[in-house]
Amino acid sequence: AQTVTQSQPEMSVQEAETVTLSCTYDTSESDYYLFWYKQPPSRQMILVIRQEAYKQQNATENRFSVNFQKAAKSFSLKISDSQLGDAAMYFCVRMEYGNKLVFGAGTILRVKS
Amino acid sequence: DTGVSQDPRHKITKRGQNVTFRCDPISEHNRLYWYRQTLGQGPEFLTYFQNEAQLEKSRLLSDRFSAERPKGSFSTLEIQRTEQGDSAMYLCASSLSSQNYGYTFGSGTRLTVV
Repeated sequence: AQTVTQSQPEMSVQEAETVTLSCTYDTSESDYYLFWYKQPPSRQMILVIRQEAYKQQNATENRFSVNFQKAAKSFSLKISDSQLGDAAMYFCVRMEYGNKLVFGAGTILRVKS
Repeated sequence: DTGVSQDPRHKITKRGQNVTFRCDPISEHNRLYWYRQTLGQGPEFLTYFQNEAQLEKSRLLSDRFSAERPKGSFSTLEIQRTEQGDSAMYLCASSLSSQNYGYTFGSGTRLTVV
């Protein structure tokens, strides 16, 4: 099975500091999409950032950016200037044919004030 | 349009009973997906529709599970003869097939089988 691996079950960061969440994935496709989703305690899944595999440039959305290493099949998320509202479960996700999403197991991010 | 709506938010049922969940997608979205999420895990794909056609079902979807999307609008997910292992969060999401921007998810239905 083609999988998505998040090796950090939990991470902590001090408010206003930077944290990086790791993700590796497996795929035999050359063109695909990767996402980071956030699931706060209220449980609704929210799209954080999206990366198209054919694009060399790393995606950025305000305080969120990714480090996409296609050859290494690595897709990490960097959160700058962390805020209390960033506390959530973060999922690394790969999109398969038919737009199905394959989720990693998630990383719980705790933000300390 | 306020996004993807799911009803009910919570459902407690006795083992062996049937339950049905409803999902109302974003109106212009032609694809609708069902996922199941157990505690502390990432969601797992169950099935998806393009308009009213059910295009794929996961092997996780046993014959006790059935999903419909009449007229390509809302969808229902029914579980017959519920088992304790069915306890999970059931997530619905929708998207446009022409785009790969990811999905819009609903808030989910939490099922507890006692």
